[in-house]
Amino acid sequence: GQNIDQPTEMTATEGAIVQINCTYQTSGFNGLFWYQQHAGEAPTFLSYNVLDGLEEKGRFSSFLSRSKGYSYLLLKELQMKDSASYLCAVLDSNYQLIWGAGTKLIIKP
Amino acid sequence: GAGVSQSPSNKVTEKGKDVELRCDPISGHTALYWYRQRLGQGLEFLIYFQGNSAPDKSGLPSDRFSAERTGESVSTLTIQRTQQEDSAVYLCASSLAGAMGTDTQYFGPGTRLTVL
Repeated sequence: GQNIDQPTEMTATEGAIVQINCTYQTSGFNGLFWYQQHAGEAPTFLSYNVLDGLEEKGRFSSFLSRSKGYSYLLLKELQMKDSASYLCAVLDSNYQLIWGAGTKLIIKP
Repeated sequence: GAGVSQSPSNKVTEKGKDVELRCDPISGHTALYWYRQRLGQGLEFLIYFQGNSAPDKSGLPSDRFSAERTGESVSTLTIQRTQQEDSAVYLCASSLAGAMGTDTQYFGPGTRLTVL
């Protein structure tokens, strides 16, 4: 079967750095998305990786290793507004988007 | 506005009633998706439209669920004879791509459905 694993919840301190991991087993791979979802709101796009390596976008970076079936989202200089759920999603060989359950990130002052 | 819009934002209905949820995608986006998100859970794919046709209906949970799209624009998700397990947030997303491919999906604010 197809599976996306990410931690259920993480806690970090304002100003610090946090890494949210995502591992996947899917039938084929056509890219991996990270979305941010604040409580009660719809998801918003953060990043898309299809090649191995690190993509940096401001305070957020996303890394992919296709051989390991692994990605992480790195958030630097954490702000209180970064408290949200972070969703990992993989496009499989049929171009169907398989979603993880999300990681709830709690930021403490 | 320029984003995806959905209506109603909240819907409370009685078990057994039919409900209709609406999605207005971003103008020019050919692909449209419906997802369901139960409280505290991940996104559950329901259906995908390419233009007005739905090549992938695999996610619809039962024959009580149906969806249509007209004018390559507005889409309606209909749930007949609602059950309590249908209670969830129903999210719509659209993307520019002509296939369920690698384009970013932009989400609407969702419709929160509560079945009593």
